[in-house]
Amino acid sequence: EADIYQTPRYLVIGTGKKITLECSQTMGHDKMYWYQQDPGMELHLIHYSYGVNSTEKGDLSSESTVSRIRTEHFPLTLESARPSHTSQYLCASKGLLTEAFFGQGTRLTVV
Amino acid sequence: GDSVTQMEGPVTLSEEAFLTINCTYTATGYPSLFWYVQYPGEGLQLLLKATKADDKGSNKGFEATYRKETTSFHLEKGSVQVSDSAVYFCALTSSRNFGNEKLTFGTGTRLTIIP
Repeated sequence: EADIYQTPRYLVIGTGKKITLECSQTMGHDKMYWYQQDPGMELHLIHYSYGVNSTEKGDLSSESTVSRIRTEHFPLTLESARPSHTSQYLCASKGLLTEAFFGQGTRLTVV
Repeated sequence: GDSVTQMEGPVTLSEEAFLTINCTYTATGYPSLFWYVQYPGEGLQLLLKATKADDKGSNKGFEATYRKETTSFHLEKGSVQVSDSAVYFCALTSSRNFGNEKLTFGTGTRLTIIP
């Protein structure tokens, strides 16, 4: 059973608001990832981290930002939410010789 | 760069039918290969994996064999059930720099099983 948690599961928020999506893992994994999943199902990597104080932008350009101050925590922030940010956001972590483990996702709706 | 090409969906089958979902990949070196499954409203779960050529991953009646010569990792199940309805993702990790693996996913295949 995966020990990676995302909160909230669902979020409806107004345009212009600042939001933070939380992701925590208790497996001690160095690598963590954020994916955006569109309604067509495809996963797009938007951020990743290989350890504390390491963050990189992914393949899909995103207005969100991330931080990695602690190994177990990898929050994603949108400074000013817009309807185009409406999507499902999936967080994952991976150890050196393990597969990736995913959280249950946050479904974000910006109205 | 690395890439995964996955069979286009959606796929609709009757219960107890045979399932194949094709997956081919492009990667340098020796990638590890995975199939993940996503049930409605959930995140992705690992279904099976293979880490070297000719390895066969298996779980819950699903199987896939790592074929380096054809760069393929096709998912198969002999008799599907309604509970297998989900989205299936083929994926790989490769590391040009040790420890800095990137995950690469296919586009996903939606499978619906009808009773």
